[in-house]
Amino acid sequence: DGGITQSPKYLFRKEGQNVTLSCEQNLNHDAMYWYRQDPGQGLRLIYYSQIVNDFQKGDIAEGYSVSREKKESFPLTVTSAQKNPTAFYLCASIPPGGAEGYTFGSGTRLTVV
Amino acid sequence: KQEVTQIPAALSVPEGENLVLNCSFTDSAIYNLQWFRQDPGKGLTSLLLIQSSQREQTSGRLNASLDKSSGRSTLYIAASQPGDSATYLCAFHNYGQNFVFGPGTRLSVLP
Repeated sequence: DGGITQSPKYLFRKEGQNVTLSCEQNLNHDAMYWYRQDPGQGLRLIYYSQIVNDFQKGDIAEGYSVSREKKESFPLTVTSAQKNPTAFYLCASIPPGGAEGYTFGSGTRLTVV
Repeated sequence: KQEVTQIPAALSVPEGENLVLNCSFTDSAIYNLQWFRQDPGKGLTSLLLIQSSQREQTSGRLNASLDKSSGRSTLYIAASQPGDSATYLCAFHNYGQNFVFGPGTRLSVLP
C-alpha cells in the first residue's frame, strides 16, 4: 500500500544536540511538507519542497533544516538553535496540482530531556 | 492571508446524536478544502475533500459542505458513535498558496 512512513515514532533529544526525523513516501508525490503541532494549537508549516533539490521555508523555519535529494525522502533536522523543539512533527505529501489533497504520516513525537 | 477558525473548540455529546462541526474562512478564492480526523498521538486521516466547484461530499455517515459566499464549511456526522471521538480539522487550499489548517474541534461521544 502507498503511504508516508515517519520514523522514529518517539525521539528524545538532549540539550545542544541535532536530531533528524525521517519521512519517506511511496506515493510518487512531488510535493512534501513538514508541520509542527503543539498541544491545543493548529498545524504550523516548517518547510516544504515541491521538487527534488528545492525547498522553501514555511512560517516557523528557524532552528530547522531540510534536504530533498530524492523524490521519496524529505528528512527534517531539528538543530540546537531550535530552543523549544518539544512537539509533534507531521510529514505530508500531495500529488501534482493538489487536487487530491494531503496525505499525512503518523508523526514523530520529539521530547527534549 | 487565509485565516481559519473552528467552532466549537470542544464538543461532548451522547451516542446517537447528529452533530455539526463548523469551519470558517476569510479568503473565498479556494482551490479545495479537506476535512481530517486526528486521534490522540496519531497523524491526520483524510475524511473528505471538496473541490472549489463542488458544494458537498459524502462518505458513509459523514457529509461536508462548502459555502464560499458565507465563508463556511460544515462537517455533519450522523448517528454519532464512541468511535467518532477524535479531533476534527479543516484545511483550505487557496490558489498559489499552501494549505491553511484550522485549530480543530475535539469531539467526545459518550456511550
